[in-house]
Amino acid sequence: DAGVTQSPTHLIKTRGQHVTLRCSPISGHKSVSWYQQVLGQGPQFIFQYYEKEERGRGNFPDRFSARQFPNYSSELNVNALLLGDSALYLCASSLSGSNEQYFGPGTRLTVT
Amino acid sequence: DQQVKQNSPSLSVQEGRISILNCDYTNSMFDYFLWYKKYPAEGPTFLISISSIKDKNEDGRFTVFLNKSAKHLSLHIVPSQPGDSAVYFCAASRQGGSEKLVFGKGTKLTVNP
Repeated sequence: DAGVTQSPTHLIKTRGQHVTLRCSPISGHKSVSWYQQVLGQGPQFIFQYYEKEERGRGNFPDRFSARQFPNYSSELNVNALLLGDSALYLCASSLSGSNEQYFGPGTRLTVT
Repeated sequence: DQQVKQNSPSLSVQEGRISILNCDYTNSMFDYFLWYKKYPAEGPTFLISISSIKDKNEDGRFTVFLNKSAKHLSLHIVPSQPGDSAVYFCAASRQGGSEKLVFGKGTKLTVNP
C-alpha cells in the first residue's frame, strides 16, 4: 500500500510569492494534518482536516490556509511568503478516531 | 511554552546496549503519547504509542514506559542497532482522534558499531 505522498519534494520561492503544497493520504484515511518543521525543532501543528472540514488550527497567521478535497487529498497554501516560512512542511494522515498519524516525506520550502 | 520537552539533544550508545530516550510533558490534558523516528530527508515514522491507561507498551525491541504522576515517558530500545541511528521525537495528544500532535524538539540517537 502506498504511504502518504507529498508534492513537490523541494521548492524555492521568493519573498512575497505564494505557494501551494499537495498531499495524498493513505487509502482509507479521512483525516489529514499539516505540520511545519524548522531546523532543530519538532514538527509544529498548522491545520487538521476531516471529511473536508477544518477540525483544528495551530498558531499560524492567516497567510496560511488549507483545504481538503472529496478524495481526502489536501492542499496547504501560504501567501506573501516570508524568509521565516522556510521549513519542511509535513503532511500526515490518520484513520478517523485514531491518534496515530502517518507522515509523508515532506516538502522542503526555501524562501529567498 | 514548551509543553513536551526532550531535554537531551543527543545520545550515543554502543551497538547491542540499551538506548533510553526521555520525554517530559506539562499539560495534564494529554492522555496519549507517541514516539516517532526520523531519518534525514524523510518524514517521521511512527514507532510506538501508549495510552494513559497503561504504564508500559512493548513492540519488539521497543518499549515505552509512562509515569503519569511524574508526567514522564521514556523509550527503551534493546538491543540497539546502528540502523536505529536517527532523531527520535516524542509527541503527545488527547485521545479520540482529530487531535493535534504536540512534539518535543527531538533527541539524536547515534548507535556506534
